[in-house]
Amino acid sequence: DTAVSQTPKYLVTQMGNDKSIKCEQNLGHDTMYWYKQDSKKFLKIMFSYNNKELIINETVPNRFSPKSPDKAHLNLHINSLELGDSAVYFCASQERGGSNEQYFGPGTRLTVT
Amino acid sequence: KQEVTQIPAALSVPEGENLVLNCSFTDSAIYNLQWFRQDPGKGLTSLLLIQSSQREQTSGRLNASLDKSSGRSTLYIAASQPGDSATYLCAAETSGSRLTFGEGTQLTVNP
Repeated sequence: DTAVSQTPKYLVTQMGNDKSIKCEQNLGHDTMYWYKQDSKKFLKIMFSYNNKELIINETVPNRFSPKSPDKAHLNLHINSLELGDSAVYFCASQERGGSNEQYFGPGTRLTVT
Repeated sequence: KQEVTQIPAALSVPEGENLVLNCSFTDSAIYNLQWFRQDPGKGLTSLLLIQSSQREQTSGRLNASLDKSSGRSTLYIAASQPGDSATYLCAAETSGSRLTFGEGTQLTVNP
């Protein structure tokens, strides 16, 4: 059973398009995250949701909008895609309390042409 | 603002060698320090998590230590194997469940 799953695994699209990436976790965790890994492999947090509420919002362009329909899902919608958005996006989940591991999904490789 | 640094950026060793990967962080007010492994084109696999009150954690051939006062953690890999080849990332968790990652150490173990 996959603990944290993301769809799609690969996404190739043109500049200016709008796209969404979906994430689901079946671990019963109450906190979910989105991270971006750039071409230099550096991982940086973008957003965090706890029980469907936004708790971390890093300095991410407002073209990126996370949506959490329930605590098992955290989707990422990106408007007006730009070349610089090309990266691998990882979803993660955690049982909040600051003392537990974060479990990561397999990643979505987004390529904007 | 927390900053995490990993040294070396890349490491190549012969099979069987014991090795140490280093991680340093600037803000000692951490909840925990987590080590991950990332294989090419794959997601992250959690290896070890050390709580802020702990000094070390062990799992098989892996041992991770934590010295909060000096802002350092090390990952020790004993008797390295080619299957250990991957990028190793450390991440410090601070308030608000915020994980700050280092840039990773790319390890190659040669048969």
